[in-house]
Amino acid sequence: TQLLEQSPQFLSIQEGENLTVYCNSSSVFSSLQWYRQEPGEGPVLLVTVVTGGEVKKLKRLTFQFGDARKDSSLHITAAQPGDTGLYLCAGRGGGSEKLVFGKGTKLTVNP
Amino acid sequence: DAGVIQSPRHEVTEMGQEVTLRCKPISGHNSLFWYRQTMMRGLELLIYFNNNVPIDDSGMPEDRFSAKMPNASFSTLKIQPSEPRDSAVYFCASSRDRGVGNQPQHFGDGTRLSIL
Repeated sequence: TQLLEQSPQFLSIQEGENLTVYCNSSSVFSSLQWYRQEPGEGPVLLVTVVTGGEVKKLKRLTFQFGDARKDSSLHITAAQPGDTGLYLCAGRGGGSEKLVFGKGTKLTVNP
Repeated sequence: DAGVIQSPRHEVTEMGQEVTLRCKPISGHNSLFWYRQTMMRGLELLIYFNNNVPIDDSGMPEDRFSAKMPNASFSTLKIQPSEPRDSAVYFCASSRDRGVGNQPQHFGDGTRLSIL
């Protein structure tokens, strides 16, 4: 069974700080996605990474896929209250549409 | 464009009752997923369909759970009989499967189910 471990589980920081959240597995994934979920809503896709070592940037968010395609990180620069939410990583094996989700990192950015 | 539509948004019922959750995927999407989210277990895949055919139901917890997709625009998840431990938020998601496995999944806003 493929599992994704996310850390930290909870993170509370002040506006303007930088942060990194991690997504780790002992399994290899063909691709990995990051989603953000706000209370009362479903997750929304932020990014998909496919190639080992790949780095993608989305404004103040930087996503990296590990060289061995077993882990990923999300770095947020100068966090803002609007970044508050649950960040979920999700991995796919092979050509399947099936996603395995981590339990998420709940981020709170205080003004 | 309309997103994934789920109904009801909230359901409160007594244990032993039958519960039916409904989902309308995004038009043109050919894969549909049912998930359950709890604090303890996170987001778990229950079952997914491709072109209306169930592909993987290994996440369905037990025989009390069943899911159908009679056509491309409608799916149901049924729990009969319901138990308190079924209380969770149930999400439906859809995607356009192009055979490469990297498509985003689009989620509905979920059904918050409480079994008393």
